[in-house]
Amino acid sequence: EVQLVQSGAEFKRPGESLKISCKASGYTFSSHWIGWVRQMPGKGLEWMAIIYPSDFDTRYSPSFQGQVTISTDKSISTAYLQWNSLKASDTAIYYCVRGGYFDWTQQYYYDGMDIWGQGTTVTVSS
Amino acid sequence: EIVMTQSPLSLPVTPGEPASISCRSNQSLLHSNGYNYLDWYLQKPGQSPQLLIYSASKRASGVPGRFSGSASGTDFTLKISRVEAEDVGIYYCMQALQTPFTFGPGTKVDIK
Repeated sequence: EVQLVQSGAEFKRPGESLKISCKASGYTFSSHWIGWVRQMPGKGLEWMAIIYPSDFDTRYSPSFQGQVTISTDKSISTAYLQWNSLKASDTAIYYCVRGGYFDWTQQYYYDGMDIWGQGTTVTVSS
Repeated sequence: EIVMTQSPLSLPVTPGEPASISCRSNQSLLHSNGYNYLDWYLQKPGQSPQLLIYSASKRASGVPGRFSGSASGTDFTLKISRVEAEDVGIYYCMQALQTPFTFGPGTKVDIK
């Protein structure tokens, strides 16, 4: 079964650092990009960033550039989202998602963000 | 950045009746491969979002046939042929043509 399993809920103080994870299974991790989507309390979905595990190419939304860092560890099929200094406004649910892929000819295919993690709730409060 | 809008933002529905949600982009979402890079997602209460439609009109695996998507220029439509109670939730369109991908504001569908 193809799935993304995220790390558990976090409660942090403003100014603290945090790294949440997303472990992939059931498919070739390096073949698909992994992305992150934010949902603030009672609000809609916001696309944050994606990373291609095969070459570490990353794309950030301008809204999140410089605020977070995405990374992967191919050896354990895991993607990460990291903050160096949390703010109360980072309080949200964060979802990891699987997206498009390249075949052996480097042809790109996109079949939607077809796999979603269960979400990680991050609460930042003093 | 491509801006996505949706209408209506709230849609009360009657089970067994059809329903339709509109989405509009401020730029073409047409890829050189001939497909519009427009997705539809449904977030049921308390759940992660799930993919319904990609490339404007292709149903994702496991999605019931009552869901369909269409495109006309920069206007996109999601149709439910006969609404079922389990279809309640918030529906989002999202463009995936260029980064940053962008979501519409969402349409909340509930039972009348």
